[in-house]
Amino acid sequence: GENVEQHPSTLSVQEGDSAVIKCTYSDSASNYFPWYKQELGKGPQLIIDIRSNVGEKKDQRIAVTLNKTAKHFSLHITETQPEDSAVYFCASMNTGNQFYFGTGTSLTVIP
Amino acid sequence: ETGVTQSPTHLIKTRGQQVTLRCSSQSGHNTVSWYQQALGQGPQFIFQYYREEENGRGNFPPRFSGLQFPNYSSELNVNALELDDSALYLCASSLGSISYNEQFFGPGTRLTVL
Repeated sequence: GENVEQHPSTLSVQEGDSAVIKCTYSDSASNYFPWYKQELGKGPQLIIDIRSNVGEKKDQRIAVTLNKTAKHFSLHITETQPEDSAVYFCASMNTGNQFYFGTGTSLTVIP
Repeated sequence: ETGVTQSPTHLIKTRGQQVTLRCSSQSGHNTVSWYQQALGQGPQFIFQYYREEENGRGNFPPRFSGLQFPNYSSELNVNALELDDSALYLCASSLGSISYNEQFFGPGTRLTVL
C-alpha cells in the first residue's frame, strides 16, 4: 500500500519567515495531494490541494509544489504569522479513493 | 449551514466492550469517511460511505463496521475493543463519491480503552 513520509516533525520559525514542509509518497498511481491544518481540539481543515496533472499551486501565502518523477510534494508558507501555529498533515489519495496521511509537522511561529 | 458534528466528544470503555460513535454530515453532503488518529500520528482511513453503501475500506479488521442513514448521518461501530483502539476518531463529510471533493472534518470523538 501507499506510504507517506513527512518531514520535519517539528518546525519553529520567526514571525515573517517562511516555513517548508516536505512529503514523499510511494504509490506512483496516487493522483491527489491535499494539505491539512489541525488546531488543538479540532479536526483537520483543508488548506490547499494539488492534483497530479499540476506542478504548482498557490493561494495567497500558501503554495504547494509536486514533483511526480521524484514522488514528493511540499508545502510552503510565506510571511508566517502566529496564527499559522498548528499541526500540518500532508496526504495522498490513490486510485481507490483512499487517503494516506503523513505523521504531521508541528509548526510554531515565534512572535 | 451547520458543520460536521460528532458525538460523544469523549468516551471511556473497557477492553472487550463495544462502542458506537455518531457523525452528522454537513448539510447537503452525501459521503462520510471515518478515520482513526492515534496520538501524535496522522489520521488513518477506516472506510467511506456514499449514499448508504460502503465505498472503500482501509486496513482495519471486520470488528470495525459502519452505517450510513438516509439523512447521510453515520455510525462507526467497534466490537471487542482492544487497548490499541484508544484514539481520536474523526469523520469527514463531502459531496459525491470522488474523494478530491473537499472533505470537512468534525472535531472527533476521543475514545479511551482501559
